[in-house]
Amino acid sequence: GQNIDQPTEMTATEGAIVQINCTYQTSGFNGLFWYQQHAGEAPTFLSYNVLDGLEEKGRFSSFLSRSKGYSYLLLKELQMKDSASYLCAVRAGSYQLTFGKGTKLSVIP
Amino acid sequence: GAVVSQHPSRVICKSGTSVKIECRSLDFQATTMFWYRQFPKKSLMLMATSNEGSKATYEQGVEKDKFLINHASLTLSTLTVTSAHPEDSSFYICSAHETGELFFGEGSRLTVL
Repeated sequence: GQNIDQPTEMTATEGAIVQINCTYQTSGFNGLFWYQQHAGEAPTFLSYNVLDGLEEKGRFSSFLSRSKGYSYLLLKELQMKDSASYLCAVRAGSYQLTFGKGTKLSVIP
Repeated sequence: GAVVSQHPSRVICKSGTSVKIECRSLDFQATTMFWYRQFPKKSLMLMATSNEGSKATYEQGVEKDKFLINHASLTLSTLTVTSAHPEDSSFYICSAHETGELFFGEGSRLTVL
């Protein structure tokens, strides 16, 4: 089976840095994805990790440790528009993804 | 990136009626598309995998006779919610992969009265 855990909610201040953690237990592993989802909208792709280490992409970075079943998404220089839900998703097979429940991030002034 | 388009974005229907949602890959061919459902404050749950030219593969607990999926061409998959009931009210999202990346449609919010 698949089990993906991430915090339900987080709050951070504009301009700060926030780290959203994700732990997973899956039968098979073929990559971990992070998506951003604003309320009422479809998810948009943020990052993809398949090997251990840090992937940096502008203000967003994602880290993966396969041995620990652990990933985090790091958001720097937070902006108000970053207020959204952040979904951790694991690909165990070909292209199907299993999503975590999402972390609702609120950025406050 | 690739574009996946869904229609309609919002639909309200009466209980007992059927609703069709379309998912199109606009600039690439998708032999496989995925249909997800998302209830308020919940995660996306995979409902079924739509395969062009063959039957869809449904996840456990998803009624195939209620959620009819047709993938008649390489750019179009449709999901029909038959005899819709209020508990079917949800956000339905399709996705398709292109060069290893998964792209999502805009989503369709179904409200059954």
